Amino acid sequence: GAVVSQHPSRVICKSGTSVKIECRSLDFQATTMFWYRQFPKKSLMLMATSNEGSKATYEQGVEKDKFLINHASLTLSTLTVTSAHPEDSSFYICSAELAGGWETQYFGPGTRLLVL
Amino acid sequence: GENVEQHPSTLSVQEGDSAVIKCTYSDSASNYFPWYKQELGKRPQLIIDIRSNVGEKKDQRIAVTLNKTAKHFSLHITETQPEDSAVYFCAASQGREGAQKLVFGQGTRLTINP
Repeated sequence: GAVVSQHPSRVICKSGTSVKIECRSLDFQATTMFWYRQFPKKSLMLMATSNEGSKATYEQGVEKDKFLINHASLTLSTLTVTSAHPEDSSFYICSAELAGGWETQYFGPGTRLLVL
Repeated sequence: GENVEQHPSTLSVQEGDSAVIKCTYSDSASNYFPWYKQELGKRPQLIIDIRSNVGEKKDQRIAVTLNKTAKHFSLHITETQPEDSAVYFCAASQGREGAQKLVFGQGTRLTINP
C-alpha cells in the first residue's frame, strides 16, 4: 500500500518551454502533497506544500510563478516548470502524505529534468 | 525554523558490523522523526520512524532512538549487509499539527564492505 507514482520519469526540453510533472497517489487519498528538488549527491529541498483545493505554500526563495502547482484532487498534484532554463535541470520528487497518517510521507520515483 | 544536522556524511563499515547515524534538531516542538533510505537514482523509502512520545523503536535489524531533552535521534543498523549500502536521510517535523512538513538532514552515504 501507499504507492505514489510520478510522470514522466525523465524529460528533456528546450530552454523556454514549459514542463508538467504529475504526482499521483495510487491506493490512498492524500490531502497534502509535497514537491522537492534534489541536486546530485545532495539532500531533499522542499519547494512547496500542495493542499487539495487550495493554493500551494511555497518555501522561501522558490518562485511561485515559475513553479506552478495544482492539486485538483485527493490523488493528483501537478508541478509545471514554466519557461524552463538550464539551471532548472534537476531531480524533482513528490511525496504524498497519507490522510490521517500522522505526517508519514511516501515518495514518488522522481522526475529527472534536463533543460537544453 | 527547524534545522537538522546529520553526521557522518559518509560511513564505511565491514559487512556484519553495526552502523550508527546521528541527527540533531533545533525545534523542540518537533514530534515526528522518520528515516529514509535512498538508493542511487531511486525514490527515498521510509525505513523507520519514531514519534516524540517514544524513546526507542526497533524493526528487525534497524532501530531508532530519540533523546528529546538533547534533541537528537539516531539510526542503528546491526548485522549490516551489502544491500544496506545507500544514502540515508533523517528528518524532523516542523509546523503545527495538521500542517506539518519535514526538514531533512544532509544525508549519510553508507557503504558496506564485503
